[in-house]
Amino acid sequence: NFMLTQPHSVSESPGKTVTISCTRSSGSIAGNFVQWYQQRPGSSPTTVIYDDDQRPSEVPDRFSGSIDSSSNSASLTISGLKTEDEADYYCQSYDSSNHVVFGGGTKLTVL
Amino acid sequence: QVTLRESGPALVKPTETLTLTCTFSGFSLSSSGMCVSWIRQPPGKALEWLARIDWDDDKYYSTSLKTRLTVSKDSSKSQVVLTMTNMDPLDTGTYYCARTSRHAFRFDPWGQGTLVTVSS
Repeated sequence: NFMLTQPHSVSESPGKTVTISCTRSSGSIAGNFVQWYQQRPGSSPTTVIYDDDQRPSEVPDRFSGSIDSSSNSASLTISGLKTEDEADYYCQSYDSSNHVVFGGGTKLTVL
Repeated sequence: QVTLRESGPALVKPTETLTLTCTFSGFSLSSSGMCVSWIRQPPGKALEWLARIDWDDDKYYSTSLKTRLTVSKDSSKSQVVLTMTNMDPLDTGTYYCARTSRHAFRFDPWGQGTLVTVSS
């Protein structure tokens, strides 16, 4: 199985932009879709990005996703940070054998 | 509106078998392309995918837990059941079910989760 590696934590000020990376250990990041989930304390995860760069209609356009084949990684970018964005963020993908992997999660602090 | 809700025991003893039920509404697991997954999260730790069952009864399991897991469905009751054998304190955590997209393993929406503690 492959792994998805995320930074343990990131922090940024309100109004700024932050990017969270998710690096795939083996297999092409472009070969299988990547999802991003937001999990606030005490709540279930919700989707903020799916299929690499698609945003659910209820998610603000401050959230965007991308993939970079050169670094074999996916990224979640949040612009115009708000205190309500403070949460844990998880990337997730899979492989052709239907093995599903979540990243270790990134704690976003908006200070 | 799609909703899912997990139910089951809050406390199980080591070596016992855990049985969890996911009751859902807003979609039918008899419909082509529909799938439901189970995911768990130990306290303060990351998410871990466990299993998926599809509308056509295809089943997929986590490689590391495959020997301990069984997933089944009762489409007439809109329920999916997960059993996990030989429970260990390391299995303590919140267990979620989620509707799953067949083509990309997108989990959406998730249930509220149920906390299972393994202790004697």
